[in-house]
Amino acid sequence: AQSVTQLGSHVSVSEGALVLLRCNYSSSVPPYLFWYVQYPNQGLQLLLKYTSAATLVKGINGFEAEFKKSETSFHLTKPSAHMSDAAEYFCAVSDQRDSSYKLIFGSGTRLLVRP
Amino acid sequence: EAGVAQSPRYKIIEKRQSVAFWCNPISGHATLYWYQQILGQGPKLLIQFQNNGVVDDSQLPKDRFSAERLKGVDSTLKIQPAKLEDSAVYLCASSFPGTRGSIQYFGAGTRLSVL
Repeated sequence: AQSVTQLGSHVSVSEGALVLLRCNYSSSVPPYLFWYVQYPNQGLQLLLKYTSAATLVKGINGFEAEFKKSETSFHLTKPSAHMSDAAEYFCAVSDQRDSSYKLIFGSGTRLLVRP
Repeated sequence: EAGVAQSPRYKIIEKRQSVAFWCNPISGHATLYWYQQILGQGPKLLIQFQNNGVVDDSQLPKDRFSAERLKGVDSTLKIQPAKLEDSAVYLCASSFPGTRGSIQYFGAGTRLSVL
């Protein structure tokens, strides 16, 4: 079964520092990949998605992610963290072999931004 | 454009009681999803509808959970009777047209506390 691993339940960075949130998937067939952000007491909002086009995907709020098939990874980065980036981030996959196209989420990474 | 609407936002009940959640998807979205998000975990799909038909309910605890989507628009998720472990946020999402790679839009969720 498809699964998603997010390394690090909490990541803390200083304002202005690089943000790196890790995501690895388990599948021999590259899935569709998504990053969602969740602010407190809100639903999930799509940051970006990979659907087998360009391997470097740019999203909203200055975030981007790179699909690396050899590493089965889809890490999320942002060059300079802002206080407003503090939130929980979820990586999700959609298995190409699953006819329901459902999303399988990782356990999430909470990003803390220090002033 | 109006987003996915959910109500109530919060619900507190005692174990063995019943509870129902309501979701109104984005207009025109044929696919509707109910997810359960337990504290500290990523969302887990409970049930997926395409119009008013069930596509995937493999992870729905059918002995106590039920869901319907009459007329292919609004949906209701019910728990009867509730258990302590049902305490979670219940998220509704919708997408158009529900194909691989299509974006799921999430509501703010209903936070359920079972005492």
